Amino acid sequence: RKEVEQDPGPFNVPEGATVAFNCTYSNSASQSFFWYRQDCRKEPKLLMSVYSSGNEDGRFTAQLNRASQYISLLIRDSKLSDSATYLCVVAHWYRPTFGRGTSLIVHP
Amino acid sequence: GAGVSQSPSNKVTEKGKDVELRCDPISGHTALYWYRQSLGQGLEFLIYFQGNSAPDKSGLPSDRFSAERTGGSVSTLTIQRTQQEDSAVYLCASSLPNTGEAYEQYFGPGTRLTVT
Repeated sequence: RKEVEQDPGPFNVPEGATVAFNCTYSNSASQSFFWYRQDCRKEPKLLMSVYSSGNEDGRFTAQLNRASQYISLLIRDSKLSDSATYLCVVAHWYRPTFGRGTSLIVHP
Repeated sequence: GAGVSQSPSNKVTEKGKDVELRCDPISGHTALYWYRQSLGQGLEFLIYFQGNSAPDKSGLPSDRFSAERTGGSVSTLTIQRTQQEDSAVYLCASSLPNTGEAYEQYFGPGTRLTVT
C-alpha cells in the first residue's frame, strides 16, 4: 500500500458545483496533514492545514479521520480558478509525504 | 516579504556533466527541503536540513547527488555525472523549525533540469 494515496481524477465539474476529494494514508503515527494546490508547471502552494476538529476556509473545508486514516477536502461553489491539482500531504515528525495529486477541472 | 527563490529557473545540460542548483529560503526558516518532481509524478523527497543538525539524506537516489547548506541559509544541490533520468523539476521548500511536527512548507518556483 502506498504511503499516501489519492484518486488522480480528473474530476470534471461545472461552475458552482460541490466536489470532494479523499486521501488515504498508511502510517497511523502521522501527525500533520495538509492540502496543497499545484497549478500546471508551477510550484505547490499551501491551501490549508487539516486539524483533528476539521477546519473551514471560505469555500474550502478539510476533515481528518484518524480512525480510518484519511483526510478530505470539500470545495463548494466551484470557480473556474479552482482548476488545479490538489496534493494531499501527510507528515510524520518533520518528514512529509506527498500524494500524487487529484486533478480538478471546473468548466463553464 | 521575499519568498523562496531558486536558480537557475531552467538548466539544460549534457549527459555526464555536473550541475549545481541553488535555493534561498525564506529568512528565519531554519528547515529546508529538496524535492524532485518528474512529469506527471508526485514530489519525491530528497534531503532535509534543520539548523545545525545533521541533514536527513535518506531520499537522495544515488551517490551522484549531494547537498550543502551554508550558514544555515542558502542551499546547493549538486548532481554529478548527470543522466537522462535526472531530468525533472527540482523544488526547494522552507518552513519554520520542526521541533516535533511538520509545519507548512513554502516552495520556490523550482529548477527545470533537462539532461540531453
